[in-house]
Amino acid sequence: DSGVTQTPKHLITATGQRVTLRCSPRSGDLSVYWYQQSLDQGLQFLIQYYNGEERAKGNILERFSAQQFPDLHSELNLSSLELGDSALYFCASSGSVAESSYNEQFFGPGTRLTVL
Amino acid sequence: TQLLEQSPQFLSIQEGENLTVYCNSSSVFSSLQWYRQEPGEGPVLLVTVVTGGEVKKLKRLTFQFGDARKDSSLHITAAQPGDTGLYLCAGAGNNDMRFGAGTRLTVKP
Repeated sequence: DSGVTQTPKHLITATGQRVTLRCSPRSGDLSVYWYQQSLDQGLQFLIQYYNGEERAKGNILERFSAQQFPDLHSELNLSSLELGDSALYFCASSGSVAESSYNEQFFGPGTRLTVL
Repeated sequence: TQLLEQSPQFLSIQEGENLTVYCNSSSVFSSLQWYRQEPGEGPVLLVTVVTGGEVKKLKRLTFQFGDARKDSSLHITAAQPGDTGLYLCAGAGNNDMRFGAGTRLTVKP
């Protein structure tokens, strides 16, 4: 158990819909990362938040957005969903002030999104 | 475009064999991590290497960071079926982390 939680575990929806994925980081971690993993694309970095502010952006579509709240949990919003958005979405956290880390990331169990 | 190239992409071996997988880049990283991922689960951190030339051992796994901090290797001795999984390397830059596409290892009993 990494200490990172993600909900829901599975999500099935239709094209054109909007969904919200939720992540709670490990206790004390300030950074949250979102990744998309599909069979043919590997693990793709989407976006990073640090203590509530956007820190880095990867291959995130304009239809996708994220935020990190004052309690450090994060949400990834996916809108106007397409079939190709079906994938595993992982959240990871890092940056505990209690340990010396080198961007080591601890991953949640993921949310499997299926767009029909 | 992947900044980190991992090879081989797939590897299938018999139990007891040794293997090495590679992670290469043209970029210099301040640190590099190796993760192992099982189907349907999130990647799990195995090791972090920081210093050029550094070697770290984790039971039957040996990790090496290249002298120039651009590449790394993972060597597994006497592979076991429990080693089966996707091995990912990830390089830390200034403000981000980039993952390789992974090596999918299958160890047959």
